[in-house]
Amino acid sequence: QSGLTQPPSASGTPGQRVTISCSGRSSNIGSNPVSWYQLLPGTAPRLLIYTDGQRPSGVPDRFSASKSGTSASLAISGLQSEDEAIYCCAAWDDSLIGVVFGGGTKLTVL
Amino acid sequence: QVRLQESDPGLVRPSDTLSLTCTVSGVSIRTYNWGWVRQPPGKGLEWIGYVYYTGNTKYNPSLKSRVTMTVDTSKNKFSLKVRSVTAADTATYYCTRDLPPSFWGQGALVTVSS
Repeated sequence: QSGLTQPPSASGTPGQRVTISCSGRSSNIGSNPVSWYQLLPGTAPRLLIYTDGQRPSGVPDRFSASKSGTSASLAISGLQSEDEAIYCCAAWDDSLIGVVFGGGTKLTVL
Repeated sequence: QVRLQESDPGLVRPSDTLSLTCTVSGVSIRTYNWGWVRQPPGKGLEWIGYVYYTGNTKYNPSLKSRVTMTVDTSKNKFSLKVRSVTAADTATYYCTRDLPPSFWGQGALVTVSS
């Protein structure tokens, strides 16, 4: 299965703004909405962003996302130690006729 | 409030069938798409497939030959079976709603071992 491509790691200091990229194809990101998740050990994935840039209730506005062509990105501003986690993107793929996930980006707060 | 809860099969022996059930509360299963995602230890998320309340299904091609998903509208539940499991099927299995998922169960750790 061809998934979405994310950098394996990212880092930032408290208060900083960091971005995490997610690269795909015309069959997935290029034509379908992107979701972003926060993964913490021992807990279910938390939906941060859906439909490219919408936040569910309860998700701070420090989290934002955008999309251009076949790439998407998640931005976290005012970085906090509690943001240290793995972040994963996902989208529907019209060729696979299924969901594809990114491999995940481990964010370290220095 | 939407809630999804996986059953807990725990340990499954190699070559056996892994069976999981997801109980849905707070919404009728007769809407939305219901699916399964798994995460092997230390690895990323893998989409397994989805089932609609009509019984229509779509599976990940990499697992298609071993997977069956069904839905029980009378009990508001849906299920996953993975046949001929190996150690590579050891993972936390999540039941989900929507494509891509918007709601997730808490996850069930399934270990394949003799």
